Amino acid sequence: NAGVTQTPKFRILKIGQSMTLQCTQDMNHNYMYWYRQDPGMGLKLIYYSVGAGITDKGEVPNGYNVSRSTTEDFPLRLELAAPSQTSVYFCASSYPGRGNTEAFFGQGTRLTVV
Amino acid sequence: GENVEQHPSTLSVQEGDSAVIKCTYSDSASNYFPWYKQELGKRPQLIIDIRSNVGEKKDQRIAVTLNKTAKHFSLHITETQPEDSAVYFCAAASGGYQKVTFGTGTKLQVIP
Repeated sequence: NAGVTQTPKFRILKIGQSMTLQCTQDMNHNYMYWYRQDPGMGLKLIYYSVGAGITDKGEVPNGYNVSRSTTEDFPLRLELAAPSQTSVYFCASSYPGRGNTEAFFGQGTRLTVV
Repeated sequence: GENVEQHPSTLSVQEGDSAVIKCTYSDSASNYFPWYKQELGKRPQLIIDIRSNVGEKKDQRIAVTLNKTAKHFSLHITETQPEDSAVYFCAAASGGYQKVTFGTGTKLQVIP
């Protein structure tokens, strides 16, 4: 199992540009999440999904969009990038209900908006 | 919504000493409390977790305690080693993992 895979690992965007952060997991987890981590700060939930076709907003959803067309993939879309979106983005997945609700994180995407 | 506060933000200990990180939460419905370790430049990884029906859980040098009445939980690391140096996050979640809230993190430095 590859676990949770994120691409790209690094990206520099100009203000106003758009991009999609890719996330895929091969553990057949129902739940997937996107977090952002600002320097020296904790993790803030952007969006989450409890299954294919279902998404919901987290704590800081403004400026982002997600989709969940399959169990495996949960891409995060940034429209009109702003400097405030400079951060490290982590995708995670979990399978609550099996008695183990551990979240597995991807390796992160470091995004800089200039 | 849930609010998780974590203290201290930084912690330096001598190798071999113990380290304690404390968290409080606000939502009495929270029933799952994981702790994650994040080494520099790496992803967070679960090190231990506790559910609300248990008061204490131990795994080798790491232990977590939970006081539901006071709504606080703590991570205890004994006999600290340099490889324990990292940022530690507490979190609280209810209804499964979909509404987890993380603390702001504690940067632990173990001085050899």
